[in-house]
Amino acid sequence: DIQMTQSPSSLSASVGQRVTITCRASQSITQYLNWYQQKPGKAPRLLIYGASTLHSGAPSRFSGSGSGTDFTLTITSLQPEDFATYFCQESYSSSHNFGQGTKLEIK
Amino acid sequence: QALLQESGPGLVKPSGTLSLTCNVSSGSITSSHWWSWVRQSPGKGLEWVGRVFHSGVTKYSPSFTGRVSLSVDKSRDQLSLELMSVTAADTGVYYCVRVGFTSGWGDAFDIWGQGTMVTVSS
Repeated sequence: DIQMTQSPSSLSASVGQRVTITCRASQSITQYLNWYQQKPGKAPRLLIYGASTLHSGAPSRFSGSGSGTDFTLTITSLQPEDFATYFCQESYSSSHNFGQGTKLEIK
Repeated sequence: QALLQESGPGLVKPSGTLSLTCNVSSGSITSSHWWSWVRQSPGKGLEWVGRVFHSGVTKYSPSFTGRVSLSVDKSRDQLSLELMSVTAADTGVYYCVRVGFTSGWGDAFDIWGQGTMVTVSS
């Protein structure tokens, strides 16, 4: 089974700051990697698919990169509405495993 | 854009069967999209359960294979999930989701229902 590990588990940042979240797969998943944002009490929202393609409607300050086992989600110039929990998800295996999440909090 | 709405009992007894339905906005269920269920629990986080096409073809996560059944009722624009022999570990929020088109990069979940909380307890 492919394990997805995100770091850090939590992160404090300020509005306007640039933030990077990392996701590591336990084996190569080429670019079968998606990123989601979840706010308290709400369903997750797709941001990035195929490691780097911005989903329709997602703000352009979100970007994704990486391939193989190491991936990053970058948010340039944090906005107040970006404070949420972020999850990665692999679509390579038959389990479609998610990472444990990174909680982004206001500093 | 498709809208998804889950419903079902909020409480299921251990060893029983968890049954949920998801209403899909009219006309969407027979589109070219697959439909999935995703569970979120405090213990295991987000877990993909499986997916179903409007033809009835299914694919299940190995973690749920043998215990889960997904189906489609096109006449009612409804998806269904049945999870058998439940334990407390099956407690969580169950989401009905649409599988988006990703230019060949596998399953990404682009539309989510609001989720329904299910507790397994006697």
